[in-house]
Amino acid sequence: AQSVSQHNHHVILSEAASLELGCNYSYGGTVNLFWYVQYPGQHLQLLLKYFSGDPLVKGIKGFEAEFIKSKFSFNLRKPSVQWSDTAEYFCAVNARNTDKLIFGTGTRLQVFP
Amino acid sequence: DVKVTQSSRYLVKRTGEKVFLECVQDMDHENMFWYRQDPGLGLRLIYFSYDVKMKEKGDIPEGYSVSREKKERFSLILESASTNQTSMYLCASSSQGAYQPQHFGDGTRLSIL
Repeated sequence: AQSVSQHNHHVILSEAASLELGCNYSYGGTVNLFWYVQYPGQHLQLLLKYFSGDPLVKGIKGFEAEFIKSKFSFNLRKPSVQWSDTAEYFCAVNARNTDKLIFGTGTRLQVFP
Repeated sequence: DVKVTQSSRYLVKRTGEKVFLECVQDMDHENMFWYRQDPGLGLRLIYFSYDVKMKEKGDIPEGYSVSREKKERFSLILESASTNQTSMYLCASSSQGAYQPQHFGDGTRLSIL
């Protein structure tokens, strides 16, 4: 069965620090990969996605993620975080033959001014 | 912009009651999903519908049923509510295609007393 692991459950950073959130998945076939973000009191929204082509994808608000097939990873990065990045971040994956997503358990990010 | 509307933001019910959670999307999406979100567990798929009157069980369907009589509306039914169904329930919709992102509603926080 497919699964997604987010090893960082809670991350605390100061503004301007760099961010990297880990995401690993278990599925040997071709996958689509997503990062979603949930700001406090808001609905989940798409941050970025990868389904083919350049393994380095750029999303909204300065976020990027790199797909490394050999490591089954899709880590999220941002060079300099802001207080407004405080949110919960979810990695998700699906196999190419299904529209259903498998979500990770989420990483709660707190950024202090 | 895609709009996914969940009928209630907060709901309090008693054990044994039959509970209906409603979700409407305005983008003519074929796919609709119901998840529950619990701290430390991420999002878990309850049911998925890929067309009117078509449904597929997700990872945790026990104690739930769904109804999709019209394309824009997807209802989640708790047949006999129990305290372990206290949770945040999220509805999502998407176009068909594994690379298509899902669009989420604001969620319904359901408490079963």
